[in-house]
Amino acid sequence: DQQVKQNSPSLSVQEGRISILNCDYTNSMFDYFLWYKKYPAEGPTFLISISSIKDKNEDGRFTVFLNKSAKHLSLHIVPSQPGDSAVYFCAASANGGFNKFYFGSGTKLNVKP
Amino acid sequence: DTGVSQNPRHKITKRGQNVTFRCDPISEHNRLYWYRQTLGQGPEFLTYFQNEAQLEKSRLLSDRFSAERPKGSFSTLEIQRTEQGDSAMYLCASSANDRGFHEQYFGPGTRLTVT
Repeated sequence: DQQVKQNSPSLSVQEGRISILNCDYTNSMFDYFLWYKKYPAEGPTFLISISSIKDKNEDGRFTVFLNKSAKHLSLHIVPSQPGDSAVYFCAASANGGFNKFYFGSGTKLNVKP
Repeated sequence: DTGVSQNPRHKITKRGQNVTFRCDPISEHNRLYWYRQTLGQGPEFLTYFQNEAQLEKSRLLSDRFSAERPKGSFSTLEIQRTEQGDSAMYLCASSANDRGFHEQYFGPGTRLTVT
């Protein structure tokens, strides 16, 4: 069963605008969430994280929001740049990431110049 | 470069052959994870180690798969009698083990093609 879902396989955004990538999960035991960026032929690169004790975490142009009651998280990229074009995966774990992460199927972001 | 490294980057093998992949984690990390990724999907957990102890194995890891981390440093993943369905990207990740929340850092992966 898919415990982490990314329902949008792709997203296209104009350079300079906001990109919003969404992720839903089903397991209420998840307490740590990560976003990864992946370029073709490379491994996923860690982008930003959030624990369940927070509802927002910012790092430069990247902000992750967590809505525990809705079991939903989102990644905002502002402003979007062409170099942000990649596949973005959300991942969730119970027990603070001490064991395995469950990944969504990814959203391919295309930022148009 | 002190990131996670994996070798080989690509492996093409014929059905029925055995293959072995190697992962070298970030040196101060004592947790090491193997994932498998197929086209259009996110990484799927296979197994993980804390030091040399293998703590969990996914049901995806059939008896043809075996992973080791003999000295708590590098790890190997072996697939015996490969099948075409084993074709995938095999990813290794590592993380720290002290208290707190920990992200996992991934290597570049080994792409396996079984013909």
